[in-house]
Amino acid sequence: QVQLVESGGGVVQPGRSLRLSCATSGFTFSIHGMHWVRQSPGKGLEWVAVIWNDGRNKYFADSVKGRFTISRDNSKNTLFLQMNSLTAEDTAIYYCARGRYGSVFDYWGQGTLVTVSS
Amino acid sequence: QLALTQSPSASASLGASVKLTCTLSSGHSNNAIAWYQQQPKKGPRYLMKVNSDGSLSKGDGVPDRFSGSTSGAERYLTISPLRSEDEADYYCQTWETGLHWVFGGGTKLTVL
Repeated sequence: QVQLVESGGGVVQPGRSLRLSCATSGFTFSIHGMHWVRQSPGKGLEWVAVIWNDGRNKYFADSVKGRFTISRDNSKNTLFLQMNSLTAEDTAIYYCARGRYGSVFDYWGQGTLVTVSS
Repeated sequence: QLALTQSPSASASLGASVKLTCTLSSGHSNNAIAWYQQQPKKGPRYLMKVNSDGSLSKGDGVPDRFSGSTSGAERYLTISPLRSEDEADYYCQTWETGLHWVFGGGTKLTVL
């Protein structure tokens, strides 16, 4: 069955960096676009970034543009999110999600919590 | 600007029917949307994609109790009959192809 497992979250000081990973299994990773979506405590969902199946195209939400980068290793079925210059507003649960139809997120991980605090 | 509007809360009785609404912003009434369910302390679950013509693409294993429909700029999620495990937050989502993806603010559904 399709599985997505995020890791790498934790407590980090403002201005520092963190790298999240999403290990996947149960599907052909290399043919799907992959996304990161986040959810601040008690709040709604916010799309963060997408990477196309071949890794050539990447798009970011305005709130993270220039600070976050997204990448993937199709040989290891793994998605990454590099987060730099973190602020308190980046505190959230970060979910990876599989893209479908180029438009929806049809499978999600359980999320990893990132807390930005001094 | 592309945006989605949802009522913050809804409630209905066990065994009854509930219809949640998601409204597309002006100029985007032909957009398809997707519905997601998020139970407490869990990641979201994809329920279905609702196209402007009312056609649906449901997620794997989504029960027949969940259905979608459309009218103008509004997209609906109907759950019937309601079960206790349907108590959750429900989000709609749409996109501008290749540019960005947008979520509604979510509706918290209480099953009475």
